[in-house]
Amino acid sequence: DSGVTQTPKHLITATGQRVTLRCSPRSGDLSVYWYQQSLDQGLQFLIQYYNGEERAKGNILERFSAQQFPDLHSELNLSSLELGDSALYFCASSPRDSRTDTQYFGPGTRLTVL
Amino acid sequence: KNQVEQSPQSLIILEGKNCTLQCNYTVSPFSNLRWYKQDTGRGPVSLTIMTFSENTKSNGRYTATLDADTKQSSLHITASQLSDSASYICVVRGTGRRALTFGSGTRLQVQP
Repeated sequence: DSGVTQTPKHLITATGQRVTLRCSPRSGDLSVYWYQQSLDQGLQFLIQYYNGEERAKGNILERFSAQQFPDLHSELNLSSLELGDSALYFCASSPRDSRTDTQYFGPGTRLTVL
Repeated sequence: KNQVEQSPQSLIILEGKNCTLQCNYTVSPFSNLRWYKQDTGRGPVSLTIMTFSENTKSNGRYTATLDADTKQSSLHITASQLSDSASYICVVRGTGRRALTFGSGTRLQVQP
């Protein structure tokens, strides 16, 4: 158990819908990262927040957005969902915003878009 | 374009045997390289992290090497166990945009 929690564990929705994935980092960790893992593309970095502020952006679509709240939990919002958005979405946390910090991954949210 | 290539794509070995997984990258400028182990359906778990100046790092039966000149890394697993069956992912971090580039992973299966 990494100490990172993600909810929900599974999510099934229809195309065109909007969903929100939630992540609670390990106690004391200030950085939160979001990743998408689909079968054909492997793990893709989406976005990083540090202490409430966006720090880095990867391959995040404009239909996706994220935020980190004052209590440090984070939410990833996915809108206008498409079939290709079906994937495992992982959240990870690390203590600071250091390039060498170990990232601790949560169990993931499996999103299925029908 | 920054890329991370891993080989082989999949590997089957017998319990107790050793194996070596390869990672080649083009990410530049380079900050660090990590190896993760990911069990099916679970989040990745960090095995090692190496910066530019480090050549070798061990974590139990896992030993990672890095040649920053040739932009190559390897992960050597000694005396494999059934629990080593997983995907092993190489991740390279650059210095610029702080973004991470992931390899597609090597799927290792250890058979009794």
